[in-house]
Amino acid sequence: AQSVTQLDSQVPVFEEAPVELRCNYSSSVSVYLFWYVQYPNQGLQLLLKYLSGSTLVKGINGFEAEFNKSQTSFHLRKPSVHISDTAEYFCAVSDVNSGSRLTFGEGTQLTVNP
Amino acid sequence: ETGVTQTPRHLVMGMTNKKSLKCEQHLGHNAMYWYKQSAKKPLELMFVYSLEERVENNSVPSRFSPECPNSSHLFLHLHTLQPEDSALYLCASSQVRQPVNEQFFGPGTRLTVL
Repeated sequence: AQSVTQLDSQVPVFEEAPVELRCNYSSSVSVYLFWYVQYPNQGLQLLLKYLSGSTLVKGINGFEAEFNKSQTSFHLRKPSVHISDTAEYFCAVSDVNSGSRLTFGEGTQLTVNP
Repeated sequence: ETGVTQTPRHLVMGMTNKKSLKCEQHLGHNAMYWYKQSAKKPLELMFVYSLEERVENNSVPSRFSPECPNSSHLFLHLHTLQPEDSALYLCASSQVRQPVNEQFFGPGTRLTVL
């Protein structure tokens, strides 16, 4: 079984500042890792995913994440945020042997202030 | 219509009512999912259908009854719900038997049980 911990429930930042949303996972087997974003009154949209290979993954809207196997982390970063990045962000993990199941973290609310 | 659609978007029902949530995917996928999203809690996977067969049922109360008549449609039948069932219900779809099981989400149905 896997578990995901998102270390910050809320992250307020000012526009154009950098941001990091933290995610740690626990699993006894190899995993795939995902970040999803949920804008108000919408479903979840995939931002980026780590499958294998390069540990730095680039996604949509200027976001990137780095897989760190030794620290079992998959933190999401953006060098300069916009007001439109205000949303809830979810980290998720999938066991490579049972791809039908995603385990989600509790989410991080990113609020970008002017 | 594109992607994953859900109807209705909002639903208010009494504890003795019977209602149904509908999900339709236009992506040619062969797996569909129901999730429950409650405030301050991780997304809870309720049901998984793969190739129109239910392959996962995560200890969901019997007052929730899923139905998957074909690979494009998924229903969640509701009866004698409790106020604690109020939540956002999300539908997702994916293509199984791919290397990575990326899930695509609908916008959700906001359910309020009075």
